[in-house]
Formats: sequence, structure tokens, C-alpha cells
Amino acid sequence: DAKTTQPTSMDCAEGRAANLPCNHSTISGNEYVYWYRQIHSQGPQYIIHGLKNNETNEMASLIITEDRKSSTLILPHATLRDTAVYYCIVELSYIPTFGRGTSLIVHP
Amino acid sequence: DAGVIQSPRHEVTEMGQEVTLRCKPISGHDYLFWYRQTMMRGLELLIYFNNNVPIDDSGMPEDRFSAKMPNASFSTLKIQPSEPRDSAVYFCASSLADLVLNTEAFFGQGTRLTVV
Repeated sequence: DAKTTQPTSMDCAEGRAANLPCNHSTISGNEYVYWYRQIHSQGPQYIIHGLKNNETNEMASLIITEDRKSSTLILPHATLRDTAVYYCIVELSYIPTFGRGTSLIVHP
Repeated sequence: DAGVIQSPRHEVTEMGQEVTLRCKPISGHDYLFWYRQTMMRGLELLIYFNNNVPIDDSGMPEDRFSAKMPNASFSTLKIQPSEPRDSAVYFCASSLADLVLNTEAFFGQGTRLTVV
């Protein structure tokens, strides 16, 4: 019973924005939305998280819909080094549990 | 801080042998997690500790797996006896519980275990 649904794979041209969607229709009011990514052969890396408001940091922006049933991770100017598996996680506690994520390929 | 440190990075062992994986969390972090990653099953949470105490080990696949955290700066994951199906990448992660900021987990580089 996955809490999130993500496309299996996506691709994006280098320099363009990558928009990665995530559905979490059963999210509860106090659960956060987290995004991690995993570059090949490395451990997962935290990107960003949010509760209700949109968030932005040096890596990405997180847009959460008003009803909180879906969100989008935006990499504003994707580079080849952004090729990775991106995981959307909904959690209440401090225990990240991972689904299959979206494999993003950034091509020249 | 150097981040979460795992050792060894690679381990090749024969079936039936004991394997011990090690993890040093980030200083000051009070949560420690062990994960296993395979192509078939993805990234699975095996066990996690809070303040050195095991909280949930429901993800540990069998009695052959055991984990300890004798102090705040060290944890081990042991497999005895090892089997070929235990071949995977094992990740350790740590985090700091913060009720205000709800912070993230930091992962080590993983240990790639091959059981032949």
C-alpha cells in the first residue's frame, strides 16, 4: 500500500526545467512531503521537504497543491549530473521509507 | 563532520560465513537506520535505532540478521550465516529528530556485499 505514486521514468534536456510529479492522495494533515535522490552507486541524498507551503532551496523547488494530494519537484536548470532516481516520500515521523521512485535521465 | 561512514565499502564472502557491516553516524544524531537495496526489492528499511535503542526491527528479513548499537557513535549489522540471496548494497543513515524542522536523513556510501 504505497503512499505515493510516481512515474517510472522521465527524461529532460540539459538546461531545461525538470518537473517530477508525485501523487499522494491519502496524505494526512501532519505528514510531510520529502524528496530524495540517488545517483548511481551512491547513497540517497536529501533534496527538499515541505508540509503545506511551496519550498525552494539551492537544489530545487517543491510545489504542493492546495489539497496536498500531489506535489511537483522542479529542477530549474537540469544538468547531466542530475541524472538519478528521485524518490517522493510522505512521512509523519523521521523514518524515510522508499518506493521505486522516478528514474530521471538528463540528456545533452 | 565527515558524514555517515560505512565500512567496508565492498565485501565478498563465501556462503555460510559471518559478515559484519559497520556504521559511524553523524555526531549528535539520535536516529540510525539500516537499509538494504536490491534490484528486485528496491530500498528496504531493515531496522532503526533511537538513542541507541532498537525501535523497529520488523524489516529484518530473518534471524540470521542482527543489529546492535553499543554507543551513539557506532552500529553494526551482522549476518550469520550469510547466503547468496543476501547479496545487496547495505546503507546506513542517521538523522536528528527535530520537532520544529522535521529534518532529513543523511546516508552513507553503502557497503556492497557479495555472497558467493
